Amino acid sequence: DAKTTQPPSMDCAEGRAANLPCNHSTISGNEYVYWYRQIHSQGPQYIIHGLKNNETNEMASLIITEDRKSSTLILPHATLRDTAVYYCIVRVSRLNTDKLIFGTGTRLQVFP
Amino acid sequence: SQTIHQWPATLVQPVGSPLSLECTVEGTSNPNLYWYRQAAGRGLQLLFYSVGIGQISSEVPQNLSASRPQDRQFILSSKKLLLSDSGFYLCAWNMNTEAFFGQGTRLTVV
Repeated sequence: DAKTTQPPSMDCAEGRAANLPCNHSTISGNEYVYWYRQIHSQGPQYIIHGLKNNETNEMASLIITEDRKSSTLILPHATLRDTAVYYCIVRVSRLNTDKLIFGTGTRLQVFP
Repeated sequence: SQTIHQWPATLVQPVGSPLSLECTVEGTSNPNLYWYRQAAGRGLQLLFYSVGIGQISSEVPQNLSASRPQDRQFILSSKKLLLSDSGFYLCAWNMNTEAFFGQGTRLTVV
């Protein structure tokens, strides 16, 4: 079972920031939060990941709450090409186990 | 650099026929390997993963099996396909950071 919950869909105006929330209230102390996105009929694309601290890269920022029970992916200036399904994932990593369990994701629609 | 190859891109198979999808990774050693399936309009379901040669973990009971005959080769198989096996199949690998996905195989069972 997925360890994350996300809203099924969101809209965002082009040029504005897109803030995608994710709840992962059962996350364990050493489990990372990953974000991927999938554009129709393609393989998922890695965006960013984090453990406790906020992270930023050329694509996005990841804000993780202090209790680690939720996080927010921020696309600072959304473009039409950012329209995709965004998946928030908890990576389960233990001895002989290392897997990414996808939830249902958030379908982000960026409009002009 | 590391790359992942998955083929074929599309496949149409009759019910009851066998299946073999192959995935290979280049540029890394001892990766973790994964097979996912995505039904139309749905999220990705983890089917199998492998942390080493000959080590296969199945996530859900199904009509499929997986094998890892070599370090960087992961094969998804079925002896007899069902209509419900139709979907978009994705292979992925990871080491310590992000996972990388292949471009997928769209399987239609008719």
